[in-house]
Amino acid sequence: GAVVSQHPSRVICKSGTSVKIECRSLDFQATTMFWYRQFPKQSLMLMATSNEGSKATYEQGVEKDKFLINHASLTLSTLTVTSAHPEDSSFYICSGGFTDTQYFGPGTRLTVL
Amino acid sequence: AQSVAQPEDQVNVAEGNPLTVKCTYSVSGNPYLFWYVQYPNRGLQFLLKYITGDNLVKGSYGFEAEFNKSQTSFHLKKPSALVSDSALYFCAVRGSGSARQLTFGSGTQLTVLP
Repeated sequence: GAVVSQHPSRVICKSGTSVKIECRSLDFQATTMFWYRQFPKQSLMLMATSNEGSKATYEQGVEKDKFLINHASLTLSTLTVTSAHPEDSSFYICSGGFTDTQYFGPGTRLTVL
Repeated sequence: AQSVAQPEDQVNVAEGNPLTVKCTYSVSGNPYLFWYVQYPNRGLQFLLKYITGDNLVKGSYGFEAEFNKSQTSFHLKKPSALVSDSALYFCAVRGSGSARQLTFGSGTQLTVLP
């Protein structure tokens, strides 16, 4: 299967700072990537669809000015959590795919103090 | 709107016994169905999918799933469970249209007891 990487795997930051998470497709090109958020022992919640060369599409209730998404190339999408607060602490997972299957990154654990 | 139900939060089986993790779905048109597995603090690993063709789909690590259109189900199965199969399992669905985002079930924690 295809490989998706995320960086960093774990980040701790102070409240009010911004954090950037990178999602890369290593062996395929992804015109579309997806960003999910997962709370402990819960399912994945789709946050936004990242489109290469155009604006991201955000799900209802997700603040686009807080969760900035950039998809500047066919292999890289970034999620920036701006002015992070403790309630933004979560596990963030990206996915990309080709044909019919989505492949997921290993996730980024964000802790905001 | 599409949805997935995994009715069991937790499934316990003894090592060597067969296992089943249940999934039912609702979607417009023909369903694309997937099973993923998640180990602690890790992303999701793709196990198998049903798009079209044989109702019995074989996937990674000896897992298989049976698509049942009349019951709108896609249960995950394995003939002989291993302790290393203990993990969180997610069923997901999307419609056959152009949108590729998946809708996930709530997940089932599988514990295989030695």
